[in-house]
Amino acid sequence: TQLLEQSPQFLSIQEGENLTVYCNSSSVFSSLQWYRQEPGEGPVLLVTVVTGGEVKKLKRLTFQFGDARKDSSLHITAAQPGDTGLYLCAGALATGNQFYFGTGTSLTVIP
Amino acid sequence: KAGVTQTPRYLIKTRGQQVTLSCSPISGHRSVSWYQQTPGQGLQFLFEYFSETQRNKGNFPGRFSGRQFSNSRSEMNVSTLELGDSALYLCASSLNPINTGELFFGEGSRLTVL
Repeated sequence: TQLLEQSPQFLSIQEGENLTVYCNSSSVFSSLQWYRQEPGEGPVLLVTVVTGGEVKKLKRLTFQFGDARKDSSLHITAAQPGDTGLYLCAGALATGNQFYFGTGTSLTVIP
Repeated sequence: KAGVTQTPRYLIKTRGQQVTLSCSPISGHRSVSWYQQTPGQGLQFLFEYFSETQRNKGNFPGRFSGRQFSNSRSEMNVSTLELGDSALYLCASSLNPINTGELFFGEGSRLTVL
């Protein structure tokens, strides 16, 4: 069982649609990050959320950290083909040094 | 500034052999962490080195080892390779320990074990 579970695992949508990706855990995290990985490349950081209840916006992407700091969501408005990729949440537990990645959500946006 | 560089990008080995992968972090970054990525298990944390010391280690067998040099460059070694070790191995560097900031990833080393 992974510490950070993402849903859905796969998502295929038409250009212009909205979508939400979820990242859930039963553990408390000091912070959560979202990364996007494209084929043949390493993940690239999109955002870091630190405070429970925090909402951050990055153009058409909205990130939210749960009040209890156990979950996070990523909402994309009007998806574009360039949004295609593997989305990964990641974080450090409130106690300890280890860093965990989520199970990943593979998004395909069809033109 | 230059990004994280991993070498080699691709390699093929046979069972029982050993392999060494190299990672050059961004200049000034003191933390290097390693990850194994497979379709079935996703991204799994291997270990982190900070200022030449292993700071923490994931749940992998002792066949997986690493080290960091005084210039922050890091190597990881896998001995007695098994078929299941086939994966993309990613290295990430950060200014501070990994649980405190952004990770910058290299493009990875894709290992195939035959």
